[in-house]
Amino acid sequence: AQTVTQSQPEMSVQEAETVTLSCTYDTSENNYYLFWYKQPPSRQMILVIRQEAYKQQNATENRFSVNFQKAAKSFSLKISDSQLGDTAMYFCAFMKLSFQGAQKLVFGQGTRLTINP
Amino acid sequence: ETGVTQTPRHLVMGMTNKKSLKCEQHLGHNAMYWYKQSAKKPLELMFVYNFKEQTENNSVPSRFSPECPNSSHLFLHLHTLQPEDSALYLCASSQEMRRGAEGYTFGSGTRLTVV
Repeated sequence: AQTVTQSQPEMSVQEAETVTLSCTYDTSENNYYLFWYKQPPSRQMILVIRQEAYKQQNATENRFSVNFQKAAKSFSLKISDSQLGDTAMYFCAFMKLSFQGAQKLVFGQGTRLTINP
Repeated sequence: ETGVTQTPRHLVMGMTNKKSLKCEQHLGHNAMYWYKQSAKKPLELMFVYNFKEQTENNSVPSRFSPECPNSSHLFLHLHTLQPEDSALYLCASSQEMRRGAEGYTFGSGTRLTVV
């Protein structure tokens, strides 16, 4: 079974700073996907960024980028030029590659990120 | 709006009540999921439906009864719940993997309080 661990329950930074959220996972699979989701106070879970394990290049989406270290099973999220609207719970998630059936996401415990003005 | 709609947004029910949560998606996704989100715990997968067939029941107590009449609608019927069942219940949908792993599209959840 896969497990996802986020070791930082809470983080707080000033607006415009850069912050990195940590995530490690455990799996025996070789082909999989990793995701970061954001859950603001509105409760809506929003996909921030995803990474295919077979791709060595780290994914980026505007101010969001990841540091994917497959051998170390590490998948950290970097938020540059942080904004007040980035305040939210952030969840790291793992999905095994499977071409049959539904996709199952396994989530970490989450990191509560607060951006201070 | 993400395309996945959950109702009601909030629900307070007594332990002897029967209520239902509803989830609806019009994204053309074939799989739908129920997750339970409790404070300070990872999201717990409860049920998985693929093409309206249940493919996973993650050891969920029988007081939770899912129903998936078609690929666009998913219900969670609740009866004789316990206070520890109070949580945010999230519905999600996804497309088949061969079209790319886009992850889930989530609804906004139903905040359930059992009194």
